[in-house]
Amino acid sequence: NAGVTQTPKFQVLKTGQSMTLQCAQDMNHNSMYWYRQDPGMGLRLIYYSASEGTTDKGEVPNGYNVSRLNKREFSLRLESAAPSQTSVYFCASRGLAVNSYEQYFGPGTRLTVT
Amino acid sequence: AQSVAQPEDQVNVAEGNPLTVKCTYSVSGNPYLFWYVQYPNRGLQFLLKYITGDNLVKGSYGFEAEFNKSQTSFHLKKPSALVSDSALYFCAVSLEYGNKLVFGAGTILRVKS
Repeated sequence: NAGVTQTPKFQVLKTGQSMTLQCAQDMNHNSMYWYRQDPGMGLRLIYYSASEGTTDKGEVPNGYNVSRLNKREFSLRLESAAPSQTSVYFCASRGLAVNSYEQYFGPGTRLTVT
Repeated sequence: AQSVAQPEDQVNVAEGNPLTVKCTYSVSGNPYLFWYVQYPNRGLQFLLKYITGDNLVKGSYGFEAEFNKSQTSFHLKKPSALVSDSALYFCAVSLEYGNKLVFGAGTILRVKS
């Protein structure tokens, strides 16, 4: 049981390049999330998917797109990377069991845009 | 709009002493409150949550937190700190059963031997 996995762990992009961050969970969770972590700002929600087939914007969606490929996988795409998108990106998932409100996080992807 | 404040950037404690990491929140309804811990170069790990019921909740690694509705606070506590507790701690709030978490900026806890 690997929990939440993310690939890649590290990535360096040039301004204007595109890339997709991958996330998968093996806990049969319905909801999945993408956050970015910046120093002094905590984590901010980019997009989330409450269930397979649905996605919604979070606090900072501009410059990003997401795909909920199936129940296990939720990808984040940067179409034209900008230096402001340099950050650490975390994927998380959450189940729907009674009283199971907490989210489980992956190890993160450290992205640098030059 | 929901918001979370962690007023201390860093808390320093001697090993064996009690520790408190402060958190206050602002929401327009009944909050779901969470504490997470992050070790260097790792993802966030869930520590504990308040959903409803007893105001004192117990979590992993001997941590507990007290929900105070009148003061809109949810401070994290531990009776006896360990050096291994040194990490970055985040408080978070949600109005939607754990969806749309809003995080505080985080507090670095340093426990010295």
